[in-house]
Amino acid sequence: KQEVTQIPAALSVPEGENLVLNCSFTDSAIYNLQWFRQDPGKGLTSLLLIQSSQREQTSGRLNASLDKSSGRSTLYIAASQPGDSATYLCAVAFVTSYDKVIFGPGTSLSVIP
Amino acid sequence: NAGVTQTPKFQVLKTGQSMTLQCAQDMNHEYMSWYRQDPGMGLRLIHYSVGAGITDQGEVPNGYNVSRSTTEDFPLRLLSAAPSQTSVYFCASARLVSYNEQFFGPGTRLTVL
Repeated sequence: KQEVTQIPAALSVPEGENLVLNCSFTDSAIYNLQWFRQDPGKGLTSLLLIQSSQREQTSGRLNASLDKSSGRSTLYIAASQPGDSATYLCAVAFVTSYDKVIFGPGTSLSVIP
Repeated sequence: NAGVTQTPKFQVLKTGQSMTLQCAQDMNHEYMSWYRQDPGMGLRLIHYSVGAGITDQGEVPNGYNVSRSTTEDFPLRLLSAAPSQTSVYFCASARLVSYNEQFFGPGTRLTVL
């Protein structure tokens, strides 16, 4: 069964720290992986999309990397700010079921001022 | 562009009632999908569509119907609401899900009493 997991489930860091969120997937044959942010009571906002052929994508203080062979992606957030507090989800489009994107459970991030 | 819109934002139903959650997108995306989000369960795919006239089941389709008569609209029908369908429902769209970003609507919070 194709699964997506995220560790840790929750993370609390002081403001200014650099941090890494992890996403693991069980099948290395993927089309793409997408990172989302979700604020409490809100919808999902797309942060970064990494295609299968790419190793990383960057947007501002965010950098996402992809290692298909090990079934992992990391989201690196530099110089964290209280406004970064949210739940971060990764979603994977597997080749054998590309029309059914599978989401991880998310990491709840709290950045303490 | 309005992106992906969903109505209503909140709804309370009694067990056995039926209703339709509306979803529309103005980005000419072929792919549209419905997810439900429950605490501790993450986002789970209910139904999806890869174009007008084409729909298919996701992970948790029971109790829900969909149709796709136009590219823009993808309504989700609850046939006979049950308390287990209390959840937050998200609609999403993408040009081609295997290669492109998914964009999400703001969600509908449904309570079934």
